[in-house]
Amino acid sequence: DGGITQSPKYLFRKEGQNVTLSCEQNLNHDAMYWYRQDPGQGLRLIYYSQIVNDFQKGDIAEGYSVSREKKESFPLTVTSAQKNPTAFYLCASSPRQTLFTDTQYFGPGTRLTVL
Amino acid sequence: ELKVEQNPLFLSMQEGKNYTIYCNYSTTSDRLYWYRQDPGKSLESLFVLLSNGAVKQEGRLMASLDTKARLSTLHITAAVHDLSATYFCAVEGSARQLTFGSGTQLTVLP
Repeated sequence: DGGITQSPKYLFRKEGQNVTLSCEQNLNHDAMYWYRQDPGQGLRLIYYSQIVNDFQKGDIAEGYSVSREKKESFPLTVTSAQKNPTAFYLCASSPRQTLFTDTQYFGPGTRLTVL
Repeated sequence: ELKVEQNPLFLSMQEGKNYTIYCNYSTTSDRLYWYRQDPGKSLESLFVLLSNGAVKQEGRLMASLDTKARLSTLHITAAVHDLSATYFCAVEGSARQLTFGSGTQLTVLP
């Protein structure tokens, strides 16, 4: 089955620690995205990548870092510089260019809690 | 900067009634998406609207797009309890990144 997987499902972090969230897709999509969702709010874009070895900051990139060494993988690191990291993190992917009615596909999410 | 506004943010409706959720956005875009989110879950794609005047229907939900007015609507017909969820609209930017509205939390009451 094609899809997007995220791990872990739940993650607990102590203050001052860096943690890495995994996102893998086997849809052969060029573009991948990371969003953050706070309770009762919409999603906000953290980083996105349209192609391997290239990525751009989204609206709230401070305190986060990413890499895109492989087409199928787009891990997100939440650094100690992110002051309020407790949130639900969603990874998504899409074809880079399409003329067809294609949407972004979302993974199941990782819920991060800072202790 | 693209801004997306949804209203209402909270909606309680009786089963069998009709209602409309509105999504306004601030800059030109030809692609608008509607998603559904159940509590604690990821997002499920409902509709992709690609052009002015586009209308899509699936079951009791119908979405439309007016790019000139920068407005999309999600109309609910004869609501049932299973439609209770949070509904998001999202507008696509040049790099296919999405800007989301704040969501409409829909509760359908018996």
